[in-house]
Amino acid sequence: RKEVEQDPGPFNVPEGATVAFNCTYSNSASQSFFWYRQDCRKEPKLLMSVYSSGNEDGRFTAQLNRASQYISLLIRDSKLSDSATYLCVVAEPSNYQLIWGAGTKLIIKP
Amino acid sequence: EPEVTQTPSHQVTQMGQEVILRCVPISNHLYFYWYRQILGQKVEFLVSFYNNEISEKSEIFDDQFSVERPDGSNFTLKIRSTKLEDSAMYFCASTGQGALYGYTFGSGTRLTVV
Repeated sequence: RKEVEQDPGPFNVPEGATVAFNCTYSNSASQSFFWYRQDCRKEPKLLMSVYSSGNEDGRFTAQLNRASQYISLLIRDSKLSDSATYLCVVAEPSNYQLIWGAGTKLIIKP
Repeated sequence: EPEVTQTPSHQVTQMGQEVILRCVPISNHLYFYWYRQILGQKVEFLVSFYNNEISEKSEIFDDQFSVERPDGSNFTLKIRSTKLEDSAMYFCASTGQGALYGYTFGSGTRLTVV
């Protein structure tokens, strides 16, 4: 069974702090990885794809560690608006179907 | 920015009734999907659709489910005889390049079966 595991949280973090989430995946052949953001009772929205070399988009940095089969997301200078659930998603190599983690809930406090 | 549109936003139905959930994907997208999310649980894949046919479906997508693209713009999910456990958010998604590049999701239909 193919799994994507995340710490459910919640992570309670003061505004301005740096926070990091990890996600582990079970299929070592997986090639494509994503972080999605989901606000309460809303649809998931693509935050960023995760590339082998790591990638950065503003305050957000994603890293991939193939040897240990985990993906990380770092948020710097966190804002109140970053409060959401962050979903780790892995594409199955055989059929590119997306396997979703249960999400990590982040609460940014003023 | 192009959007995936879903209607209705909320549907309440009695157990055993048929429901049709509607989606209008982004116009130049080729791959269409239905996912569902039971409250507090993971997003679950139901079905993918490409070139006017189902390309993949999950174990959840049993004989009570069907999908159609009746007119080149709408993409519908039909649940023939709803059960209480079908209560969930149903998300439609589309992509122009397949799953590798991330999807655009609609805002979802909250289905409540009573």
